[in-house]
Amino acid sequence: EPEVTQTPSHQVTQMGQEVILHCVPISNHLYFYWYRQILGQKVEFLVSFYNNEISEKSEIFDDQFSVERPDGSNFTLKIRSTKLEDSAMYFCASSYFLVGAYNEQFFGPGTRLTVL
Amino acid sequence: DQQVKQNSPSLSVQEGRISILNCDYTNSMFDYFLWYKKYPAEGPTFLISISSIKDKNEDGRFTVFLNKSAKHLSLHIVPSQPGDSAVYFCAATLMKSGSRLTFGEGTQLTVNP
Repeated sequence: EPEVTQTPSHQVTQMGQEVILHCVPISNHLYFYWYRQILGQKVEFLVSFYNNEISEKSEIFDDQFSVERPDGSNFTLKIRSTKLEDSAMYFCASSYFLVGAYNEQFFGPGTRLTVL
Repeated sequence: DQQVKQNSPSLSVQEGRISILNCDYTNSMFDYFLWYKKYPAEGPTFLISISSIKDKNEDGRFTVFLNKSAKHLSLHIVPSQPGDSAVYFCAATLMKSGSRLTFGEGTQLTVNP
C-alpha cells in the first residue's frame, strides 16, 4: 500500500539554525500539507500546497517557514532560524484531487524536531 | 483555537464492550468530519468520516454519529478490541479538495483484555 514517508525521524538542532524536513508524498497525489503537534497540544495545520504554489497557510506559517517541491517526488519544509518553540512533531500529508469532493489526507510518520 | 474539542483526554473500556468517543465543534461552516487513529511513533491514520448531510456512517465495527443542531459527533466502536487502543482524533473541515483539517485534542482509548 502506498504511504507518505518522512526523513529524518528525529532532528536535533541549535536555536537559530536552519532545518529542512523532507517528505515523499504518495505518487499520484496532488495536494501536500504540513501539520505540527507541539508536545501535549493539538495537531495544527501549517500549510497546503498545490500546483507548485501555496494553497493555504495558517497564522503559524510566518516568514520563517517555507515549502518547496524541488523535484517530482519530494516536498520539503524549511525553517530558516529555529526557535525553541519550534520543537514539535512535524507531519507531512498528501491527498488526491477530485473536484467538488473531499479527499482523504494520508499522513506520514512524522519528524520530531528538537531545538536546543 | 477551540473550534474542535474533545473533552475526554482518556477512556478505558473492557474488551468486547462499546467505546464511545465524543467531539464538539463550534464552527458551523464545517461540513465534513473525520476520525483519525494514532499509534505512538506513527502518523494519524484515517478511520471514518461523515458529511454534514448525513447523521450516521458505519464501517464494520466503527460508526460515526453527527448531531448538527448540537454540533456534536461521536465515534462508536463495538465490540472494542485491545488492538483499538490508541489516540483518537476528531477533525473537521470543509468538503472541498485541499481544505485544512482542524483537529481536536485527542482521546487516549485503552481497551483492557
